[in-house]
Amino acid sequence: NAGVTQTPKFQVLKTGQSMTLQCAQDMNHEYMSWYRQDPGMGLRLIHYSVGAGITDQGEVPNGYNVSRSTTEDFPLRLLSAAPSQTSVYFCASGVGEAYYGYTFGSGTRLTVV
Amino acid sequence: DAKTTQPPSMDCAEGRAANLPCNHSTISGNEYVYWYRQIHSQGPQYIIHGLKNNETNEMASLIITEDRKSSTLILPHATLRDTAVYYCIVRVLHNSGAGSYQLTFGKGTKLSVIP
Repeated sequence: NAGVTQTPKFQVLKTGQSMTLQCAQDMNHEYMSWYRQDPGMGLRLIHYSVGAGITDQGEVPNGYNVSRSTTEDFPLRLLSAAPSQTSVYFCASGVGEAYYGYTFGSGTRLTVV
Repeated sequence: DAKTTQPPSMDCAEGRAANLPCNHSTISGNEYVYWYRQIHSQGPQYIIHGLKNNETNEMASLIITEDRKSSTLILPHATLRDTAVYYCIVRVLHNSGAGSYQLTFGKGTKLSVIP
């Protein structure tokens, strides 16, 4: 049981490049989400999904796309990277009900130059 | 979700109890109090949650005041590995819409455990 796995752990992009951050969970969780964390800040929600085929925007969705074709995977796509997207990205999953805590991945540290 | 207020930082001597306060004076009746922590750039880790009764697990205890306007997370015997940023979050009980899944993180309390 690996929990929530994020790849890559580190990435450097040039402005305008695109890439996909991967997130996979093996706990059969219905809920998955992406957060970003900027220096000295709390986490902010980018996109989330409540099940395969269902996604929605969070607090800061601009510049990011997501899809959820399977229960296990929830990739985050940067369409045209900008320096403002330099951040640490965390993926989280959970059973959805408020009775339980969410499980977070170890993060992807992204630098856009 | 109700907003929370936490002190920006606290120190605690190793082996002593760490008591982390959180104010959530606008909490609604259907909102739980959750605590997470983040150890040096790792992903946040769930600690404990509660509605109105005190809760205890292997990591910590959660004390919620009777009026539910504040709570305290207690780490009974703090160790150096408990040095982290601790987040107090309130969220709705039931999933009545997409926003109820969201965890709204503030800046938390940076707890430093001192040898």
